[in-house]
Amino acid sequence: DTAVSQTPKYLVTQMGNDKSIKCEQNLGHDTMYWYKQDSKKFLKIMFSYNNKELIINETVPNRFSPKSPDKAHLNLHINSLELGDSAVYFCASSQLGRVGYNEQFFGPGTRLTVL
Amino acid sequence: DAKTTQPTSMDCAEGRAANLPCNHSTISGNEYVYWYRQIHSQGPQYIIHGLKNNETNEMASLIITEDRKSSTLILPHATLRDTAVYYCIVRGRITGANNLFFGTGTRLTVIP
Repeated sequence: DTAVSQTPKYLVTQMGNDKSIKCEQNLGHDTMYWYKQDSKKFLKIMFSYNNKELIINETVPNRFSPKSPDKAHLNLHINSLELGDSAVYFCASSQLGRVGYNEQFFGPGTRLTVL
Repeated sequence: DAKTTQPTSMDCAEGRAANLPCNHSTISGNEYVYWYRQIHSQGPQYIIHGLKNNETNEMASLIITEDRKSSTLILPHATLRDTAVYYCIVRGRITGANNLFFGTGTRLTVIP
Protein backbone atom coordinates (compact mmCIF):
# COMPACT_ATOMS: atom_id res chain seq x y z
CA ASP A 1 0.00 0.00 0.00
CA THR A 2 1.22 3.46 -0.87
CA ALA A 3 1.76 5.53 2.26
CA VAL A 4 1.51 8.97 0.68
CA SER A 5 -0.02 9.26 -2.77
CA GLN A 6 -0.45 12.22 -5.09
CA THR A 7 -2.50 12.75 -8.19
CA PRO A 8 -1.83 13.55 -10.89
CA LYS A 9 1.79 12.58 -11.40
CA TYR A 10 2.12 14.98 -14.32
CA LEU A 11 0.13 18.13 -14.98
CA VAL A 12 0.55 20.32 -18.04
CA THR A 13 -1.59 23.42 -18.29
CA GLN A 14 -1.79 26.91 -19.71
CA MET A 15 -1.00 30.14 -17.92
CA GLY A 16 -3.98 31.61 -16.15
CA ASN A 17 -5.70 28.31 -15.50
CA ASP A 18 -6.73 27.02 -12.08
CA LYS A 19 -5.61 23.56 -11.08
CA SER A 20 -5.56 21.23 -8.09
CA ILE A 21 -3.20 18.53 -6.91
CA LYS A 22 -4.52 15.90 -4.54
CA CYS A 23 -2.66 14.21 -1.71
CA GLU A 24 -3.72 11.34 0.51
CA GLN A 25 -1.91 9.54 3.32
CA ASN A 26 -2.94 6.25 4.93
CA LEU A 27 -0.48 6.41 7.81
CA GLY A 28 -2.85 7.93 10.32
CA HIS A 29 -0.65 11.00 10.66
CA ASP A 30 -2.06 14.25 11.94
CA THR A 31 0.13 16.65 9.96
CA MET A 32 0.55 17.07 6.23
CA TYR A 33 2.77 19.31 4.13
CA TRP A 34 3.34 20.69 0.69
CA TYR A 35 6.83 21.30 -0.66
CA LYS A 36 7.95 22.84 -3.95
CA GLN A 37 11.09 21.77 -5.78
CA ASP A 38 12.10 24.17 -8.50
CA SER A 39 14.27 23.65 -11.56
CA LYS A 40 17.41 24.21 -9.50
CA LYS A 41 16.34 21.34 -7.26
CA PHE A 42 15.84 23.48 -4.16
CA LEU A 43 13.18 21.87 -1.98
CA LYS A 44 11.14 24.41 -0.02
CA ILE A 45 8.29 24.07 2.43
CA MET A 46 5.08 25.75 1.38
CA PHE A 47 2.46 24.72 3.92
CA SER A 48 1.84 22.38 6.76
CA TYR A 49 -1.57 21.40 8.13
CA ASN A 50 -2.24 19.93 11.54
CA ASN A 51 -5.66 18.68 12.55
CA LYS A 52 -7.27 20.71 9.79
CA GLU A 53 -5.59 23.90 10.90
CA LEU A 54 -2.89 25.68 8.97
CA ILE A 55 0.04 25.89 11.32
CA ILE A 56 2.64 27.33 9.03
CA ASN A 57 2.39 29.30 5.86
CA GLU A 58 5.64 30.32 4.22
CA THR A 59 5.84 33.30 1.88
CA VAL A 60 3.97 31.78 -1.00
CA PRO A 61 1.54 33.71 -3.19
CA ASN A 62 -2.06 33.63 -2.08
CA ARG A 63 -2.87 32.02 -5.41
CA PHE A 64 -1.84 28.84 -3.63
CA SER A 65 -4.26 27.47 -1.08
CA PRO A 66 -4.16 24.17 0.79
CA LYS A 67 -7.48 22.52 1.51
CA SER A 68 -7.92 19.62 3.88
CA PRO A 69 -11.30 17.86 3.77
CA ASP A 70 -10.13 15.44 6.46
CA LYS A 71 -7.00 14.39 8.29
CA ALA A 72 -5.93 12.01 5.54
CA HIS A 73 -6.08 14.52 2.70
CA LEU A 74 -4.38 17.80 1.88
CA ASN A 75 -5.07 19.16 -1.57
CA LEU A 76 -3.24 22.05 -3.17
CA HIS A 77 -5.24 24.52 -5.22
CA ILE A 78 -3.48 26.95 -7.49
CA ASN A 79 -5.28 29.84 -9.14
CA SER A 80 -4.15 31.89 -12.12
CA LEU A 81 -1.14 29.72 -12.87
CA GLU A 82 2.07 31.45 -13.90
CA LEU A 83 5.15 30.20 -15.72
CA GLY A 84 7.14 30.38 -12.50
CA ASP A 85 4.83 27.87 -10.87
CA SER A 86 6.37 25.13 -12.98
CA ALA A 87 8.03 22.78 -10.53
CA VAL A 88 7.67 19.44 -8.81
CA TYR A 89 5.32 19.56 -5.85
CA PHE A 90 5.71 17.06 -3.05
CA CYS A 91 3.20 16.19 -0.40
CA ALA A 92 4.37 14.75 2.93
CA SER A 93 2.94 13.69 6.26
CA SER A 94 4.16 13.13 9.80
CA GLN A 95 2.90 12.68 13.32
CA LEU A 96 3.27 15.96 15.16
CA GLY A 97 4.15 16.00 18.78
CA ARG A 98 6.63 13.16 18.89
CA VAL A 99 9.32 15.16 20.54
CA GLY A 100 12.56 15.15 18.61
CA TYR A 101 11.16 12.87 15.96
CA ASN A 102 10.53 14.55 12.66
CA GLU A 103 10.28 11.72 10.18
CA GLN A 104 8.23 12.89 7.26
CA PHE A 105 6.95 10.54 4.61
CA PHE A 106 6.92 12.02 1.14
CA GLY A 107 4.74 11.31 -1.84
CA PRO A 108 6.12 10.63 -5.33
CA GLY A 109 5.67 14.21 -6.48
CA THR A 110 3.58 15.99 -9.11
CA ARG A 111 5.44 17.61 -11.98
CA LEU A 112 3.57 20.76 -12.95
CA THR A 113 4.39 22.42 -16.25
CA VAL A 114 2.82 25.75 -17.07
CA LEU A 115 2.95 26.74 -20.73
CA ASP B 1 17.25 26.28 12.90
CA ALA B 2 21.00 25.88 12.61
CA LYS B 3 22.54 26.16 9.17
CA THR B 4 24.30 23.12 7.72
CA THR B 5 27.19 22.84 5.28
CA GLN B 6 27.76 19.82 3.10
CA PRO B 7 30.07 19.04 0.19
CA THR B 8 28.37 19.47 -3.14
CA SER B 9 29.22 16.03 -4.44
CA MET B 10 31.03 12.80 -3.59
CA ASP B 11 31.83 9.52 -5.29
CA CYS B 12 32.00 6.12 -3.67
CA ALA B 13 32.91 2.72 -5.05
CA GLU B 14 30.20 0.12 -4.92
CA GLY B 15 30.54 -2.09 -1.84
CA ARG B 16 32.63 0.42 0.04
CA ALA B 17 31.49 2.60 2.90
CA ALA B 18 30.19 6.03 1.99
CA ASN B 19 30.96 8.70 4.57
CA LEU B 20 29.00 11.89 4.12
CA PRO B 21 30.05 14.82 6.33
CA CYS B 22 27.94 17.69 7.57
CA ASN B 23 28.96 20.77 9.50
CA HIS B 24 26.47 22.41 11.84
CA SER B 25 28.66 24.58 14.01
CA THR B 26 25.79 26.78 15.24
CA ILE B 27 23.65 23.90 16.44
CA SER B 28 21.99 24.51 19.78
CA GLY B 29 21.55 22.06 22.59
CA ASN B 30 18.02 20.98 21.78
CA GLU B 31 18.42 20.62 18.02
CA TYR B 32 18.46 17.26 16.34
CA VAL B 33 20.38 16.20 13.25
CA TYR B 34 18.28 14.55 10.54
CA TRP B 35 19.35 12.94 7.30
CA TYR B 36 17.14 12.51 4.29
CA ARG B 37 17.96 11.46 0.77
CA GLN B 38 16.31 12.02 -2.57
CA ILE B 39 16.80 9.51 -5.31
CA HIS B 40 16.31 10.92 -8.78
CA SER B 41 12.68 11.76 -9.56
CA GLN B 42 11.43 10.50 -6.21
CA GLY B 43 10.28 12.17 -3.00
CA PRO B 44 12.78 12.60 -0.15
CA GLN B 45 13.23 9.61 2.13
CA TYR B 46 14.04 9.71 5.84
CA ILE B 47 17.26 7.92 6.77
CA ILE B 48 18.16 8.57 10.38
CA HIS B 49 18.29 11.19 13.10
CA GLY B 50 20.16 11.82 16.34
CA LEU B 51 20.74 14.29 19.13
CA LYS B 52 24.15 13.57 20.62
CA ASN B 53 24.65 9.82 20.69
CA ASN B 54 25.67 7.83 17.67
CA GLU B 55 22.75 6.09 16.02
CA THR B 56 22.42 3.09 13.75
CA ASN B 57 19.51 1.61 11.86
CA GLU B 58 19.04 -0.73 8.94
CA MET B 59 19.94 1.97 6.45
CA ALA B 60 22.86 3.83 7.94
CA SER B 61 24.87 4.99 10.93
CA LEU B 62 25.07 8.53 12.23
CA ILE B 63 28.17 9.68 14.03
CA ILE B 64 27.88 13.00 15.88
CA THR B 65 31.00 14.64 17.28
CA GLU B 66 31.18 15.27 20.99
CA ASP B 67 30.81 19.04 20.53
CA ARG B 68 27.90 18.34 18.12
CA LYS B 69 29.26 20.77 15.58
CA SER B 70 29.52 18.16 12.87
CA SER B 71 28.24 14.73 11.98
CA THR B 72 28.86 11.98 9.46
CA LEU B 73 26.34 9.74 7.79
CA ILE B 74 27.78 6.32 7.01
CA LEU B 75 26.35 3.93 4.46
CA PRO B 76 28.36 0.83 5.33
CA HIS B 77 28.19 -0.96 1.97
CA ALA B 78 27.11 1.43 -0.74
CA THR B 79 25.13 0.06 -3.65
CA LEU B 80 24.21 1.64 -6.96
CA ARG B 81 20.73 2.28 -5.55
CA ASP B 82 22.27 4.58 -2.94
CA THR B 83 23.09 7.13 -5.64
CA ALA B 84 21.08 10.14 -4.52
CA VAL B 85 21.24 13.63 -3.02
CA TYR B 86 21.71 13.42 0.75
CA TYR B 87 20.42 16.22 2.94
CA CYS B 88 21.62 17.01 6.44
CA ILE B 89 19.01 19.00 8.38
CA VAL B 90 19.17 20.43 11.86
CA ARG B 91 15.81 20.86 13.52
CA GLY B 92 14.69 21.87 16.96
CA ARG B 93 12.23 20.12 19.19
CA ILE B 94 8.74 20.25 17.86
CA THR B 95 7.01 23.40 19.04
CA GLY B 96 4.24 23.60 16.52
CA ALA B 97 6.10 24.22 13.33
CA ASN B 98 7.18 20.91 11.96
CA ASN B 99 8.68 21.87 8.64
CA LEU B 100 12.02 20.75 7.29
CA PHE B 101 14.45 23.16 5.66
CA PHE B 102 16.40 21.41 2.95
CA GLY B 103 19.74 22.82 1.85
CA THR B 104 21.61 21.92 -1.31
CA GLY B 105 22.72 18.52 -0.01
CA THR B 106 25.50 16.22 -1.22
CA ARG B 107 25.09 14.40 -4.48
CA LEU B 108 26.49 10.92 -3.86
CA THR B 109 27.38 8.85 -6.91
CA VAL B 110 28.09 5.19 -6.32
CA ILE B 111 30.42 3.90 -8.99
CA PRO B 112 30.37 0.27 -10.16
